[in-house]
Amino acid sequence: GAGVSQSPSNKVTEKGKDVELRCDPISGHTALYWYRQSLGQGLEFLIYFQGNSAPDKSGLPSDRFSAERTGGSVSTLTIQRTQQEDSAVYLCASSLVLHIRGETQYFGPGTRLLVL
Amino acid sequence: ILNVEQSPQSLHVQEGDSTNFTCSFPSSNFYALHWYRWETAKSPEALFVMTLNGDEKKKGRISATLNTKEGYSYLYIKGSQPEDSATYLCALGYNFNKFYFGSGTKLNVKP
Repeated sequence: GAGVSQSPSNKVTEKGKDVELRCDPISGHTALYWYRQSLGQGLEFLIYFQGNSAPDKSGLPSDRFSAERTGGSVSTLTIQRTQQEDSAVYLCASSLVLHIRGETQYFGPGTRLLVL
Repeated sequence: ILNVEQSPQSLHVQEGDSTNFTCSFPSSNFYALHWYRWETAKSPEALFVMTLNGDEKKKGRISATLNTKEGYSYLYIKGSQPEDSATYLCALGYNFNKFYFGSGTKLNVKP
């Protein structure tokens, strides 16, 4: 079956513009996660969804970041008024159920965002 | 923010060498530890999930151990091959809704 897909694979935008990143999880996976990796940094957890609900948004870097998930499937991560420090690889992952005791997460290929 | 440390940051070995690297983490309220392999331009790939103190997992030439009391895990690669070149990430689950990654060990295996 298909894995996690993300689009676009690369995005170059100008500072101040809004961008929308999309994630299609593996069919049937109820949990979905967003991460980012800035240059030279480790993976940073941003937010997770259980179904369409995101109970904890504290990992989002600022109020310019928002995420939603509809129909328990596709998720979008929106960054408003992008800044240069938003440049990073944004990874999405999904798992069959919410990670509690070791549920494996399957990652997408990422979206490479460059803010000029 | 919990501090998950991986060492070394990078490693260069010759084909055929065996190698190992470390993931250190706070041991309180530990849930699970994951090892991922991340090749350039690809998605991170899950290698192992370990939850119990003393767990040992093996997949081909790669194996891992877990010590939750002292807060560390070792990843071993026996007889490294060029295709093993990748960044190896460990990730820790504490609260069920958060997941903390180390910054990875970048392995380069020279033919």
